[in-house]
Amino acid sequence: QSALTQPASVSGSPGQSITISCTGTSSDVGGYKYVSWYQQHPGKAPKLLIYDVTNRPSGVPHRFSGSKSGNTASLTISGLQAEDEADYYCTSFITSSALEVFGGGTKLTVL
Amino acid sequence: EVQLVQSGAEVKKPGESLQISCRASGYSFTTYWIGWVRQMPGKGLEWMGIIYPGDSDTRYSPSFQGQVTISADKSITTAYLRWSSLKSSDTAMYYCARRGSGWYEDYWGQGTLVTVSS
Repeated sequence: QSALTQPASVSGSPGQSITISCTGTSSDVGGYKYVSWYQQHPGKAPKLLIYDVTNRPSGVPHRFSGSKSGNTASLTISGLQAEDEADYYCTSFITSSALEVFGGGTKLTVL
Repeated sequence: EVQLVQSGAEVKKPGESLQISCRASGYSFTTYWIGWVRQMPGKGLEWMGIIYPGDSDTRYSPSFQGQVTISADKSITTAYLRWSSLKSSDTAMYYCARRGSGWYEDYWGQGTLVTVSS
């Protein structure tokens, strides 16, 4: 299965909002409410930020939010902070294998 | 507290076999899937496969089918990732992760770095 498509990089200044897109097909992103987002700082394990398109695990700040329209899911970070500088990955359930597939990842730079 | 603790870094030669482990604690091991994720140097995350320790149901991503073997030992709440013949292209960080109550991974191990070099 092909990886989901994410922009390679995005940037923003502290306090601003940014959005990272994740584009798939009707067989993955568009077909189910099973999109999740992970944050990975250098040298660290990924951390779950968003699951089932819009849900935040306890402990994840409210400034992280998720949405979906058609075959594209989005992660929005409002009120950017320096510690948000990291790599971000989306995943989606795929019907063909009952597994998940990752997006290619997006590097967020806080200017 | 849910914890996934992975085995330490490994340095191997091409053609050698290797098994790395992921010891789970703090939850019912047999009722959650555990998956393995590869991250090659400077690259993104890739799903390798997943196992349900309760009945050993195992699924592999097409790219990894036949390349690795995933298993689990319920008696010691540990999942494994095994190679029978390593290649230099297997050099990567490998993470185990617990699948939560839906299609997402809520807990991750710290990662095991595997280096394959002659």
